[in-house]
Amino acid sequence: NAGVMQNPRHLVRRRGQEARLRCSPMKGHSHVYWYRQLPEEGLKFMVYLQKENIIDESGMPKERFSAEFPKEGPSILRIQQVVRGDSAAYFCASSQNSRETQYFGPGTRLLVL
Amino acid sequence: AQSVTQLDSQVPVFEEAPVELRCNYSSSVSVYLFWYVQYPNQGLQLLLKYLSGSTLVESINGFEAEFNKSQTSFHLRKPSVHISDTAEYFCAIDNAGNMLTFGGGTRLMVKP
Repeated sequence: NAGVMQNPRHLVRRRGQEARLRCSPMKGHSHVYWYRQLPEEGLKFMVYLQKENIIDESGMPKERFSAEFPKEGPSILRIQQVVRGDSAAYFCASSQNSRETQYFGPGTRLLVL
Repeated sequence: AQSVTQLDSQVPVFEEAPVELRCNYSSSVSVYLFWYVQYPNQGLQLLLKYLSGSTLVESINGFEAEFNKSQTSFHLRKPSVHISDTAEYFCAIDNAGNMLTFGGGTRLMVKP
């Protein structure tokens, strides 16, 4: 049973470009969570999605960031017009149901030049 | 609002010595508690969790943690560490919301 998949593992963007991060949950999991880890810090919650629905986006920056989890395909975290402060590791986690154990992917490390 | 505090950002220890990584939390409701481990440039792996029942929980690689409700703590312990235990350890809580709240992490450095 494959774990949570994320790609790309590393992403380099110049300021002003767009970044798209993908997450495929574990088989049988329909709940997806995105977290951001800034350098030397713990993980901070960004958004919680179920298929075709955003359930909680209280941790998402108000501008430039968006997330989706379509009926088919992976969940996408999209960052428009990236700035240097967006450089971080972005982790996706999935669970079978709400409030069940979250399993994490390997992360996407975004570097903004 | 809930919060998690890991008091030690780094813990250096010699191989085969015991170790305790401290975690305290704050929440107005009952919580589930977790320890995750992160090896360099990797994602987080679940180490152990407390949901209910016995307050002492164990992992398969010799770690254990004890939930202390009165002290709102969930400290992680291992009686004898190995070089391979060198990693960053994160304590987290789930208070019936839609997210995990993480502590700042403790870097365990095991020296030969």
